[in-house]
Formats: sequence, structure tokens, C-alpha cells
Amino acid sequence: DAGVIQSPRHEVTEMGQEVTLRCKPISGHNSLFWYRQTMMRGLELLIYFNNNVPIDDSGMPEDRFSAKMPNASFSTLKIQPSEPRDSAVYFCASSLWKTGAGELFFGEGSRLTVL
Amino acid sequence: KNEVEQSPQNLTAQEGEFITINCSYSVGISALHWLQQHPGGGIVSLFMLSSGKKKHGRLIATINIQEKHSSLHITASHPRDSAVYICAAPNSGGYQKVTFGTGTKLQVIP
Repeated sequence: DAGVIQSPRHEVTEMGQEVTLRCKPISGHNSLFWYRQTMMRGLELLIYFNNNVPIDDSGMPEDRFSAKMPNASFSTLKIQPSEPRDSAVYFCASSLWKTGAGELFFGEGSRLTVL
Repeated sequence: KNEVEQSPQNLTAQEGEFITINCSYSVGISALHWLQQHPGGGIVSLFMLSSGKKKHGRLIATINIQEKHSSLHITASHPRDSAVYICAAPNSGGYQKVTFGTGTKLQVIP
């Protein structure tokens, strides 16, 4: 399997622009997670899905952030409008959840810089 | 929320040394994750363990559920082991919302 695939790997944009990050989980995995990593706050969970359904979005910082998972093989994280404080590395991860948590498989991350 | 603490925060070792990284958490869990992140790189899952010990190559992870403590050991350390090691614990047993430790930055000097 190709692993978790994220795009773009790097994104530089100007404040106020819309940013869309994409993720393709590992085939067969039924859980998908979006994390954000910054120097100040480390890794934080933004939102996660089970079987394409959002389960917990309490980590989404503001209404400017939204995430969707239209099918089992694709998810997006959108920021609109973007702000400089959104600059971070955004990781997508997937796992196979059965009766308990499964091992997490991470993508390479999308490094976002908002000027 | 699970409070996850790692120690040490930074660690420098000579090549060949035995290394131990510790992780303590506050809420009983069903499984704990150990992750590795190389500078500027992605995150790789090393272990997910719920009891006892797991070994993969030169890496060994142990967990004591009663004491809410886990350790990651690296035997015969090598410069390529230089990375940040992160433990992560679920907020409630069996759940998927994890809290990450702040990480241990390891540098192995040749």
C-alpha cells in the first residue's frame, strides 16, 4: 500500500486566501484524523472521522476551519479565510478501528505558510 | 483529557549507548503509541502497546498499566536514531482521541 497520501506538501499563501489540504487514507482503514503541529503547541487533534462520519471536531480552532470526508478514500481540510497564525504542518493519519484504537499511520504532512 | 509527560525533553548520546525515554500519563488507557519524527520529516508509528513489552529491531517498548508509565529503549544507538520520539495516550480507554507528549529530542553522536 502507498500509505497515507497528503497534498500539497507545501503551500504558501497570502492572508485571506482559501486553503484546501487533501488526504487519501490507507485503503481499508475506517478512521481518519487531521492533526496540526506547531512549535508552540506540538501536535493537536483537529478532527477525526469514523466510517466517513465526523466524530469529534472539538479541536477545530474556529469556524474558518472545516473538514469533509465524502467517501472512504478522500478527505479535505479547508481554511477560509487563512491567517498567519494558521501557519503549521498539518498531518493526516488513518487507522483501522475495531473494538479499540488502532495503530496510527501518518502522511508526510502539508506545510502551510500564510503570509 | 489525559495528561502525558515525557522525559527527558532533550537527550544527547554517544553512538552505541543504551537509551531510555520515559512517558507517564494520568488516565488509565487501553493502548499507548510511540511515534518517531525525523527533522523536517513525517511521523512514523513505532509501537502501539497495551501491556508488557514489544520489540522491533533495536527498539523495545514497555508499559506498566498499573503505574501508568511506559518506556522506549534503544539498544546500540546509531546516529540515524536521531529524531524526536513522541508518546501518545488515548483520553479514555479504547478511544481514538489521543493526547501527545511534548516529545524527546534525541541526538546520537558518532
